[in-house]
Amino acid sequence: EIVLTQSPGTLSLSPGERATLSCRASQSVDSNYLAWYQQKPGQAPRLLIHGTSSRATGIPDRFSGSSSGTDFTLTISRLEPEDFAVYYCQQYGSSLYTFGQGTKLEIK
Amino acid sequence: QVQLVQSGAEVKKPGASVKVSCKASGYTFTSSYIHWVRQAPGQGLEWMGIIIPSTGNTDYAQKFQGRVTVTRDTATSTVYMDVSSLRSEDTAFYYCVREPYRGACYFDYWGQGTLVTVSS
Repeated sequence: EIVLTQSPGTLSLSPGERATLSCRASQSVDSNYLAWYQQKPGQAPRLLIHGTSSRATGIPDRFSGSSSGTDFTLTISRLEPEDFAVYYCQQYGSSLYTFGQGTKLEIK
Repeated sequence: QVQLVQSGAEVKKPGASVKVSCKASGYTFTSSYIHWVRQAPGQGLEWMGIIIPSTGNTDYAQKFQGRVTVTRDTATSTVYMDVSSLRSEDTAFYYCVREPYRGACYFDYWGQGTLVTVSS
């Protein structure tokens, strides 16, 4: 099973700042099969990014995804108040879908 | 627009079973896959299993094999998930989610979630 480890657990930033969220895989992940989701309190998760770097429909271009080896990154270029939430990465491999444990992005 | 509408909250006793429904609309039901993902209160996300509506074929995470059964009714575009032998650790929100096409391997639409509480 591929384990995804997200860091940091909590990230405290101010609106307008840049956020960098990390997701490290325990082994190689096909870049086509890495996605990011945003979850706000009391809501279902929402797809942000799929295929490592492709934004989902309606997602603002301040959200971007990238990778280097087994490290995947979600970047939010300039934080808006509505961006403070929990973020999860997710991968598919060996007939199994797994999620990271999440990064909470909170207002500083 | 694509919608996944789930059945309401359930309270069950340990050892009982629960059946959660997920009605899909706004797209061709048999052209996408439906998965189930759960989230214990305050915890992360856990993939449970998948059904291919066009064929009825299913696959489950090893942890849930033998205890979770997913079925579909193509006439009503509804997917059902049955969880048996419930225990307190099964208390969670259960989400049906759509994989938009074969091989996408991501989830573009989520149901609103169904809270299942297991308590004596």
